[in-house]
Amino acid sequence: QVQLQQWGAGLLKPSETLSLSCAVYGESFSGHYWSWLRQSPGKGLEWIGEISHTGSTNYNPSLKSRVTISADTSKNQFSLNLNSVTASDTAVYYCARGRRWGLVTYYFDFWGQGTLVTVSS
Amino acid sequence: QSALTQPASLSGSPGQSITISCTGTSSPVGTYNLVSWYQQHPGEAPKLIIYEINKRPSGVSDRFSGSKSGNTASLTISGLQAEDEADYFCCSYKRGLLFGGGTRLTVL
Repeated sequence: QVQLQQWGAGLLKPSETLSLSCAVYGESFSGHYWSWLRQSPGKGLEWIGEISHTGSTNYNPSLKSRVTISADTSKNQFSLNLNSVTASDTAVYYCARGRRWGLVTYYFDFWGQGTLVTVSS
Repeated sequence: QSALTQPASLSGSPGQSITISCTGTSSPVGTYNLVSWYQQHPGEAPKLIIYEINKRPSGVSDRFSGSKSGNTASLTISGLQAEDEADYFCCSYKRGLLFGGGTRLTVL
């Protein structure tokens, strides 16, 4: 059974960098795309971006300028960095395994437990 | 504002069937069979219950079913149970992933 375990800082000040990591258990990192999503009361669910085992990344255009997703395949882990955060980045952040159709990720079958990140001065 | 529109809330009694709709603007639902549905209980991560319009992952009850007509996808839950009380989200793809705003289902 695939399990995703995520961790990272939950309280940030404006302009700081959000950093979260996610470890994958029970499944090879290879052959899949691994995503970050977030959920806030005002904006609902939002896909942030993804990474493959080869290091290929895709990002939501609305966040692309501030997002970096990286992976450490030797540890079956991937990470999210979101810089210059503001209060509007306050959300629960999730890591998830994405399933592909051609070049498109279109659903998520396994999710991490979620991390509440609050941005406040 | 979500590009996929769902009713904000629905309710039903145990044993009843309910249907949650998911309508897209600019045909994101109608173009491809890339519709998925997620169930989310309070404080938990979303759980995939339907993908590719009407396919169920292993372990998901057959009381959950999906369909599509034109630009509207639907999730039907039959034989409502108390444990079905949760938020439900639809998701589709058109030049990017789109999520619905979610429907809060109350089991009376």
